[in-house]
Order: sequence, then structure tokens, then C-alpha cells
Amino acid sequence: DAKTTQPPSMDCAEGRAANLPCNHSTISGNEYVYWYRQIHSQGPQYIIHGLKNNETNEMASLIITEDRKSSTLILPHATLRDTAVYYCIVRVANFGNEKLTFGTGTRLTIIP
Amino acid sequence: GAVVSQHPSRVICKSGTSVKIECRSLDFQATTMFWYRQFPKQSLMLMATSNEGSKATYEQGVEKDKFLINHASLTLSTLTVTSAHPEDSSFYICSARVVSGDTQYFGPGTRLTVL
Repeated sequence: DAKTTQPPSMDCAEGRAANLPCNHSTISGNEYVYWYRQIHSQGPQYIIHGLKNNETNEMASLIITEDRKSSTLILPHATLRDTAVYYCIVRVANFGNEKLTFGTGTRLTIIP
Repeated sequence: GAVVSQHPSRVICKSGTSVKIECRSLDFQATTMFWYRQFPKQSLMLMATSNEGSKATYEQGVEKDKFLINHASLTLSTLTVTSAHPEDSSFYICSARVVSGDTQYFGPGTRLTVL
């Protein structure tokens, strides 16, 4: 699976949009971009995933560049409960290869 | 939907004893479950992949005789840490993949402390 690069930490003011970048310049055509987050001492929580189109759900939006070499996770109105480590993971989505390889992620801190 | 539970949430045991951790998919069936380990201030590391009705596949460096995995049903996988030592103290997290889907959903984790 392609490797990803994320900034180690970011701060965002409460109520503002949090934009978390991820570089995946070696991504292959059949690899998806997944985002998970881990709040302290809890298991990771699935946020969103996409292949090439932008995606939106009740938690966040995922913007993938046209060349698919980078993406941005957007939390539209950050709250204190969004403070967590956010992981961007690239992997092939099929039933034979399902490993999630976690990097170091971005530690997002929401500032009151 | 897609809720995964783990039991116990915390366990303290003496060195040399065995500890069993359960992972259950509560509202879906999971043919595949995964076991991860996370040491303090580190990221999650995959230990093994568990498929219902077959033997688990272990990642390189993970001792299969020490970390016994059983996936007897579509909703339950267990991890048994045998002859636990203090260096096995860690946060153990399972995940499950929906049978008809592709996304993994994670349990809340089990914190194991070996004295």
C-alpha cells in the first residue's frame, strides 16, 4: 500500500473548519484514501473514504486532488470533541488485501 | 450501526498467567477480524488477521503460540495472551470488516497491564 505523509500536529479554533492535509504521491489507481481518528485511549473511529471523487458524510468532507496525489479532510465546524489523532491511510479495497497500515497521523487540537 | 465491542476494557494480571480478550461485532456479521497492538505514544500495529473458521494469519514478528486467536463465529473473535509478561502490557484493539463491505470498524480497545 502507498505511504502517506501528514503533518504531526495542528491546532484549530473551536467552531472553525479544520483542514487536515495528506500527501500520497505514490498512490495507485485502485487504491482508496481512508481517514480514521483516534481519541485518547479509544479505538480508531472510521470517518470517511474515497477513490477519486470528493465525498461528504455527516462527519466530514474528503477532497481528493485531480491527480489523486493528495487529499484534505475537512471537519466543517470543529468542536472540542474533535481533538484526536487523525490517520490518513491508502489501501487497495478488495476482499483479498484488507490491511490498514497506520502511520503516525496528525494530532489535531481544538482550541476553545 | 457497525458497532464493535471488546471485553474486558481493562485487565491486570500477574506475570505468567494467560488473558483472554473478546471482540464482538454487535450489529453485523464479520468474516474477517483484525487484532492490533498499540504501545504508549505509538501508532497501531497489526498483529494478525482472523478469518471465521480458519487459522489466523500473523504479521512478521508476532508469535502465534503466544497470541492465540480464535474466530469461531461471524460475530466473535478472541485473542489469548499466553504466559503474559510485563512487556506484553499494551493497548489491544480489534476491528471487524462487514461481510458485504470493505470498511473496518474498531472496538474500544483493551488495556492489558502485566505485573
